[in-house]
Amino acid sequence: NAGVMQNPRHLVRRRGQEARLRCSPMKGHSHVYWYRQLPEEGLKFMVYLQKENIIDESGMPKERFSAEFPKEGPSILRIQQVVRGDSAAYFCASSPGRGLTDTQYFGPGTRLTVL
Amino acid sequence: SQKIEQNSEALNIQEGKTATLTCNYTNYSPAYLQWYRQDPGRGPVFLLLIRENEKEKRKERLKVTFDTTLKQSLFHITASQPADSATYLCALAGSSNTGKLIFGQGTTLQVKP
Repeated sequence: NAGVMQNPRHLVRRRGQEARLRCSPMKGHSHVYWYRQLPEEGLKFMVYLQKENIIDESGMPKERFSAEFPKEGPSILRIQQVVRGDSAAYFCASSPGRGLTDTQYFGPGTRLTVL
Repeated sequence: SQKIEQNSEALNIQEGKTATLTCNYTNYSPAYLQWYRQDPGRGPVFLLLIRENEKEKRKERLKVTFDTTLKQSLFHITASQPADSATYLCALAGSSNTGKLIFGQGTTLQVKP
């Protein structure tokens, strides 16, 4: 029973390029969350998605960031025209339901470095 | 604004002792609180969840308390081992049914043999 998978594990981009981060939830999970962890800071919620729907994007920067979770395939977090301040670890988590006590299972993260 | 505070200073203890980590929050009424463990370069791993109407929860050597009056949770590891060395995160969720978690910045625990 594979856990949450994220790829790539490490991503290097130059300023102005696009970054695409992928997340495959655990089998049977239809709820995906994205969090960002800046150096020396805690995890910050970005967006919560269900299949084909964005439920809560209150933590997403207004520009350059977008997320999707299509009917088929992984969830994608897309960052356009990356800047140095986007360098961080991006974690995806999945849960089986949206209940208050549904445990979120985290992936290993993608570490984005913007040169 | 909502704020979650964990002791930013690393906690160093001797093997076999009890480690106690603190999570304080303000301007928030969480429905439940979770504790996670995070090792360097890895994603957080869920440890324990405690609801607002529960005072205490235990799991093996772990114990969590939740005081909604003090707005504080304590996380205890008894008979600590060097393998318990990691960063421990507390996370709060509100009553809105989105599952969105708000994390503290974490406390690093170092258990010395």
